[in-house]
Amino acid sequence: EAGVAQSPRYKIIEKRQSVAFWCNPISGHATLYWYQQILGQGPKLLIQFQNNGVVDDSQLPKDRFSAERLKGVDSTLKIQPAKLEDSAVYLCASSFPGQQSETQYFGPGTRLLVL
Amino acid sequence: AQSVTQPDIHITVSEGASLELRCNYSYGATPYLFWYVQSPGQGLQLLLKYFSGDTLVQGIKGFEAEFKRSQSSFNLRKPSVHWSDAAEYFCAVGHASGGSYIPTFGRGTSLIVHP
Repeated sequence: EAGVAQSPRYKIIEKRQSVAFWCNPISGHATLYWYQQILGQGPKLLIQFQNNGVVDDSQLPKDRFSAERLKGVDSTLKIQPAKLEDSAVYLCASSFPGQQSETQYFGPGTRLLVL
Repeated sequence: AQSVTQPDIHITVSEGASLELRCNYSYGATPYLFWYVQSPGQGLQLLLKYFSGDTLVQGIKGFEAEFKRSQSSFNLRKPSVHWSDAAEYFCAVGHASGGSYIPTFGRGTSLIVHP
């Protein structure tokens, strides 16, 4: 079974530029998550989708971050404009909801460096 | 609000020695608890989880963890560490959201294994 795919793996941009990350979840997984992991910290949830609807985006900085999952499969996360403090690893995860014991499966992440 | 404390930033052990990684949580109700491992350049992988029942939980790769409500702890253990266990370990406490469970992660403990 293929895992969660993310691209690009690495990205370097200058502050005030825009950037987009892409995630393809495991086939059949209706729930998709984006996390931000700053160096030396644990991942923090940015947004959770169920199919193409947003379940939780309370920690998404909406003035600069946006995410979409138009067809309920792939998702993109965008930052515009980027700030230095956005340097982090952006992790995508997916799960098959509805079971108490369901597990989130994480992709390898996109490492972003903002200069 | 829920939170997780991992008091050790780094732990160094010799290969073959036993391991215990500490985790303390704060949560108002019965917690859902997780341990994840993150190897360099890879995504997070779930080692084990506790939802209810037996307080001693067995996971993958020979790891186990014990839920102690009186101490608000969920420490991870392994009787004999292998060099391949060197990685970052994250404890997390989960809350329900949209039929899934959203983990709040600790800052992680880096495990260094000496030959």
